[in-house]
Amino acid sequence: ETGVTQTPRHLVMGMTNKKSLKCEQHLGHNAMYWYKQSAKKPLELMFVYSLEERVENNSVPSRFSPECPNSSHLFLHLHTLQPEDSALYLCASSQDHPSQETQYFGPGTRLLVL
Amino acid sequence: QKEVEQNSGPLSVPEGAIASLNCTYSDRGSQSFFWYRQYSGKSPELIMSIYSNGDKEDGRFTAQLNKASQYVSLLIRDSQPSDSATYLCAVIVDRGSTLGRLYFGRGTQLTVWP
Repeated sequence: ETGVTQTPRHLVMGMTNKKSLKCEQHLGHNAMYWYKQSAKKPLELMFVYSLEERVENNSVPSRFSPECPNSSHLFLHLHTLQPEDSALYLCASSQDHPSQETQYFGPGTRLLVL
Repeated sequence: QKEVEQNSGPLSVPEGAIASLNCTYSDRGSQSFFWYRQYSGKSPELIMSIYSNGDKEDGRFTAQLNKASQYVSLLIRDSQPSDSATYLCAVIVDRGSTLGRLYFGRGTQLTVWP
């Protein structure tokens, strides 16, 4: 595997389900991010992890719970979601170093909440 | 809220023409600037990064940055139908305290017709 991978690629869940999104980066980066992309809206940053510590939580509802067990893996745990949470969820990684902070994105998980 | 503004388009150009995409940003502290391309249903992929005033060329792509006027542009020469996508402008602000926080514009949809 190369770059940034995400699983699953598609997910359909009911509002009472619990599911998790997984992201893995193979670039040797030390920072990872979760973004949400809804139709007709700019990409929205959700969470930032640097060296496995959460450094930013962008006012995201508690029904989204991130986890970063090491610098290569990032999870987004989902529970009691709402239909308006349906979106493309993108993971990205970067190196925390000047001029190396370019973010590289995974393919995304397309989430539909019924 | 740091703002990145782009014309949503659609921008339509014939094959072989020059496509010009523009982006303005509101925060004078912005230091790093990126153009991403996103095909429908796919994740953003990096085209170019630019950090200094002036032009930066990479193949058919040229990024132009003017910090005094707070705009960054992307020129695509000899446009091809395969260039048809949404182009996202992204800006990093205050890297010291907000690790790698990318602010994205809404994107400009480009169509290159044969």
